[in-house]
Amino acid sequence: LAKTTQPISMDSYEGQEVNITCSHNNIATNDYITWYQQFPSQGPRFIIQGYKTKVTNEVASLFIPADRKSSTLSLPRVSLSDTAVYYCLVGVSGSARQLTFGSGTQLTVLP
Amino acid sequence: DGGITQSPKYLFRKEGQNVTLSCEQNLNHDAMYWYRQDPGQGLRLIYYSQIVNDFQKGDIAEGYSVSREKKESFPLTVTSAQKNPTAFYLCASTLARAGQPQHFGDGTRLSIL
Repeated sequence: LAKTTQPISMDSYEGQEVNITCSHNNIATNDYITWYQQFPSQGPRFIIQGYKTKVTNEVASLFIPADRKSSTLSLPRVSLSDTAVYYCLVGVSGSARQLTFGSGTQLTVLP
Repeated sequence: DGGITQSPKYLFRKEGQNVTLSCEQNLNHDAMYWYRQDPGQGLRLIYYSQIVNDFQKGDIAEGYSVSREKKESFPLTVTSAQKNPTAFYLCASTLARAGQPQHFGDGTRLSIL
């Protein structure tokens, strides 16, 4: 199973770009990398997913190097409402292999 | 609107009692999952099901049971054998295809009376 490692916490200021890196050294060939955001007492919400190189959507970018042993979630110009826990998940949805959530990164955005 | 509905939002259990948490989805998803989240911790997988009438244990299945009689429903029973059931329980679902992210419900918070 692909285990992930993320920083426990990060602080940032409003308007700054935030980069959160996830390490997944034993990622398998078929595994995708998915990032979720979770607010207190709510279920995680999908942010972005990728397999290799770079993926961008309206809220974030995901950078994946060629060896795929790590990935970086980039949040442009964060606001106070981006304060949440961010999880990196590696695996294949719906397959026999279990998906493993890491411990997550608590991002605190300061005014 | 399509989504995942968990009920109840809050649940209390007495010692020695079994309780069942409901999870229903109308997304036509194949796979469904149950996670447990303790305060300040990440999500740990309890059970998952890829198709109707089939399910597999996750990392912490002891003291829990599930059923998957219908594609849209995946109830979780917390049995009296689970000695520390106080936690936030999350249900998720996804299409059984590579590259499909999980969709989560809003959770059930279970406490012991």
